[in-house]
Amino acid sequence: QVQLQESGPGLVKPSETLSLTCGVSGGSMSNHYWSWVRQPAGKGLEWLGRLSPSGSPIYNPTLKSRVTMSVDTSKNQFSLKLSSVTAADTAIYYCARDLLDPWGRGTTVTVSS
Amino acid sequence: DIQMTQSPSAMSASVGDRVTITCRASQDINNYLAWFQQKPGKVPERLIYAASSLQLGVPSRFSGSGSGTEFTLTISSLQPEDFATYYCLQHSDYPWTFGQGTRVEIK
Repeated sequence: QVQLQESGPGLVKPSETLSLTCGVSGGSMSNHYWSWVRQPAGKGLEWLGRLSPSGSPIYNPTLKSRVTMSVDTSKNQFSLKLSSVTAADTAIYYCARDLLDPWGRGTTVTVSS
Repeated sequence: DIQMTQSPSAMSASVGDRVTITCRASQDINNYLAWFQQKPGKVPERLIYAASSLQLGVPSRFSGSGSGTEFTLTISSLQPEDFATYYCLQHSDYPWTFGQGTRVEIK
């Protein structure tokens, strides 16, 4: 069965760019959508956006122009970049497939100097 | 954006209780609704999709219903492992939006 695993720095400085990768194993990336979701500590879930099977992104407008998502099927992974981060971007970041099933284990990103 | 409002935000219940959680959408979302369960410190897991279709492997005590703007998640007989936070998600339109969550606690 397909498994997802997020990776990336756990600490990012304010105003810098958060970069995460989601590795996909146990299945093909073809014909699937790939999403990012985040959850600040003790709070609810926020959908950040998704990539279509062709790699076209749909972003949550709340992130405005700060977010970029891309896919690299040759490496079986997709990525999230969030620029100009602030403390409000501190959260657990999850990747997920299609209608958010399955999810990765999540990775905690803290924005702090 | 489509707003999703869950009620209650939190509840206390006993093992064996019937539990109902409501999710209301700010506009018609047909049946483009999913329910997720998140246990403390764990990853969310999908329970229901298309408003009423049970995810493979999810116990039959869970059920979903509704269409349009009002949806419910029902647990027919609450079990100890069901104490968790439940979220609804609409995927009728972008951006996808979650309800604020319903925390089900032990009475």
